[in-house]
Amino acid sequence: NAGVTQTPKFQVLKTGQSMTLQCAQDMNHNSMYWYRQDPGMGLRLIYYSASEGTTDKGEVPNGYNVSRLNKREFSLRLESAAPSQTSVYFCASRTQGAPNSPLHFGNGTRLTVT
Amino acid sequence: AQTVTQSQPEMSVQEAETVTLSCTYDTSESDYYLFWYKQPPSRQMILVIRQEAYKQQNATENRFSVNFQKAAKSFSLKISDSQLGDAAMYFCAYRSANTGNQFYFGTGTSLTVIP
Repeated sequence: NAGVTQTPKFQVLKTGQSMTLQCAQDMNHNSMYWYRQDPGMGLRLIYYSASEGTTDKGEVPNGYNVSRLNKREFSLRLESAAPSQTSVYFCASRTQGAPNSPLHFGNGTRLTVT
Repeated sequence: AQTVTQSQPEMSVQEAETVTLSCTYDTSESDYYLFWYKQPPSRQMILVIRQEAYKQQNATENRFSVNFQKAAKSFSLKISDSQLGDAAMYFCAYRSANTGNQFYFGTGTSLTVIP
């Protein structure tokens, strides 16, 4: 089972460049999430999508946009990258079928903005 | 936003010994879910254990168990018979049962296992 697949694994951008992080899950999950992980700050929610067709802001949405393309795919876009967006990005998904269902994570994307 | 606090940035344990990682959270709700995730150097986030707030019994998964103290808003993770493969970052997470979709994470505890 592939689970949650993120691409790319690593990326280096220059300030001002744009890019899209891709995420796909094959578990038929309703909800999908984007987190960023920074040293000493844990994981912070950027955006999430409770179901296909809906998206909501998390704790740190500024500088990002998302698209829930279909039930499987949820992309994160940086329109004009800034050094403060250097981070490790995780996509996650979750079924709403069980109330105690956990997040299932992809392997992360390490992004460096110079 | 809910606050999840892990007050121990780093911990160490001798192989085969027991270690307890602390987690506290701030909530006014009575119905919620708590989770511990492990992140080894591979960066993969792995679910270790979960607890429903309505359950009084502490969750157990093999060598991993929790001490859930609802009144104290505390959710500590105990690792028994520590193994070298337990070395990782450990994150505590909270999710409300009512406002539902967001998971809130602590800042993590880095666990070193000494051979």
